[in-house]
Amino acid sequence: DAKTTQPPSMDCAEGRAANLPCNHSTISGNEYVYWYRQIHSQGPQYIIHGLKNNETNEMASLIITEDRKSSTLILPHATLRDTAVYYCIVSGSARQLTFGSGTQLTVLP
Amino acid sequence: GAVVSQHPSRVICKSGTSVKIECRSLDFQATTMFWYRQFPKQSLMLMATSNEGSKATYEQGVEKDKFLINHASLTLSTLTVTSAHPEDSSFYICSAPSSGGSYNEQFFGPGTRLTVL
Repeated sequence: DAKTTQPPSMDCAEGRAANLPCNHSTISGNEYVYWYRQIHSQGPQYIIHGLKNNETNEMASLIITEDRKSSTLILPHATLRDTAVYYCIVSGSARQLTFGSGTQLTVLP
Repeated sequence: GAVVSQHPSRVICKSGTSVKIECRSLDFQATTMFWYRQFPKQSLMLMATSNEGSKATYEQGVEKDKFLINHASLTLSTLTVTSAHPEDSSFYICSAPSSGGSYNEQFFGPGTRLTVL
């Protein structure tokens, strides 16, 4: 699976959009971009995934660049409960996930 | 979405004892489940893949005789930490992929915090 690079930490003001970047320059054609998050002392939670096109669900939006070498997870209106470690994972299958160090997002009141 | 449960959520044991952790898929069947370990301030590390009806496959560096895995049914996998030592203290998380269609989503359990005294 391709390796991903994420900033170790980010802050965001409550109510504002949180934009979390991820670089995956070695992604191959059949690999998806998955985003999970882990709130402290809990199991990871699925957020969203995509292959080529931008995706949106009730939790977030995923913007994938045309060359697929990077992506951005957008939480449109961050709340304090969105404080968590966000993991960007590239894999050909959700059955095999390799977690990197992720981005610690802190939503500030 | 699908639910994966773990039991117990927290366990404290003495050094040298064995601890069993259960992972259940509550509303779907899982022929495969995954076990992860997470040390403080670190990411999740895959330990092993639990396969219903066959032996588990272990990641490099994980002792299969110390971390016994039994996939007893399509909804239950157990991880037994044998002869636990303080260095085994960690957060153990299981996951199970859903099935259907061309995409399999992973559902994670809430984790089990093991403390070995």
